[in-house]
Amino acid sequence: EVHLLESGGALVQPGGSLRLSCAASGFTFSNYAMSWVRQAPGKGLEWVSAVSASGGRTYYADSVKGRFTISRDNSKNTLWLPMNSLRAEDTAVYYCAKGYDSTIDSWGQGTLVTVSS
Amino acid sequence: EIVLTQSPATLSLSPGERATLSCRASQSVSTYLAWYQQKPGQAPRLLIYDASNRATGIPARFSGSGSGTDFTLTISSLEPEDFAVYYCQQRSDRPPLTFGGGTKVEIK
Repeated sequence: EVHLLESGGALVQPGGSLRLSCAASGFTFSNYAMSWVRQAPGKGLEWVSAVSASGGRTYYADSVKGRFTISRDNSKNTLWLPMNSLRAEDTAVYYCAKGYDSTIDSWGQGTLVTVSS
Repeated sequence: EIVLTQSPATLSLSPGERATLSCRASQSVSTYLAWYQQKPGQAPRLLIYDASNRATGIPARFSGSGSGTDFTLTISSLEPEDFAVYYCQQRSDRPPLTFGGGTKVEIK
């Protein structure tokens, strides 16, 4: 069974930084591209970023380009999302998700990031 | 960027009724469309992939159809656990992956 466990969410001031992590298990992590998807309170789903299976290619939504950096370590089955220059509009639950070029078929339970002074 | 428009925004139905949800794409996505269900406080769950294929463990009352720009998710007979928000999502033209705004299926 696929299991994705996010961590790292917190309350942070505008302009601050945070790093999200996602520990994956139950599938061959190195075979799949991975994504981060967020959901602001009471709003819909927004794709944020993705990384190819090898880690060699990365993709970003325009809203986070230049501020967020996705990466992965296939030896540790771990995905990361360091986030810099955080804004109030980045406040959301951030989900780690399995897939990008293939259908996103599994989601973690999410970690809450709150950007506020 | 491909925009997905879901309608209606809210669907008020009773258990046992048929639900028909629509998703329209701003340009063709072929059949690279998925449907997700989300309940309050939970992560989304994959229901349908590639427009018409049920994901593992999804009951047969859920079905998807369509291709190109017009897609439909049908729940043949609503069960109490089906009242939730439903999102469509395309992976045809990326980045970015895009989601529709969601349809809330509520109890009438």
